[in-house]
Amino acid sequence: EDQVTQSPEALRLQEGESSSLNCSYTVSGLRGLFWYRQDPGKGPEFLFTLYSAGEEKEKERLKATLTKKESFLHITAPKPEDSATYLCAVQGTTDKLIFGTGTRLQVFP
Amino acid sequence: DGGITQSPKYLFRKEGQNVTLSCEQNLNHDAMYWYRQDPGQGLRLIYYSQIVNDFQKGDIAEGYSVSREKKESFPLTVTSAQKNPTAFYLCASSSSGNTEAFFGQGTRLTVV
Repeated sequence: EDQVTQSPEALRLQEGESSSLNCSYTVSGLRGLFWYRQDPGKGPEFLFTLYSAGEEKEKERLKATLTKKESFLHITAPKPEDSATYLCAVQGTTDKLIFGTGTRLQVFP
Repeated sequence: DGGITQSPKYLFRKEGQNVTLSCEQNLNHDAMYWYRQDPGQGLRLIYYSQIVNDFQKGDIAEGYSVSREKKESFPLTVTSAQKNPTAFYLCASSSSGNTEAFFGQGTRLTVV
């Protein structure tokens, strides 16, 4: 069964304090791993797609990496506006898009 | 403007009533999905469809039904058989099985 586990559940950072969020997964035939950002009361906003181990993607202060068992979302020098819930999802050969429970990030000035 | 539109944004339902949530996309996407999100939790898959006139159950399909008569539309009916329907419902679509999915802004359903 396809499964996604995210850690930590919640993370509090001081502005400028870099850190990483983890997404561990088990999936039959990975077709894609996706990162999203979700603000309260809104739909998730797409950030990155990773397809194969060793792949990396960057966008502003965010960088996503992928291995055969997990993905990391690295946040460099975060700002308060980066506060949100970050969701990881995987898609395998079943075509289901399965999400983890997310990491709730709070960045304080 | 291309995107996914969910309506209504807020919906109140009396116990024992069926209610239908609308999801429309003009992105020409083949795949569409319905998720449920409870407070402080991740997204749980209700139903998904890869093509018109075909759909599959997700992990929590009991008490829900869908139809996919048109490529653009994937309505979700929350039936009276759903024991705890109060939640935030999200619809998404993607162009194929391994590309990113884009989400609507959600419908918050409350049973009164």
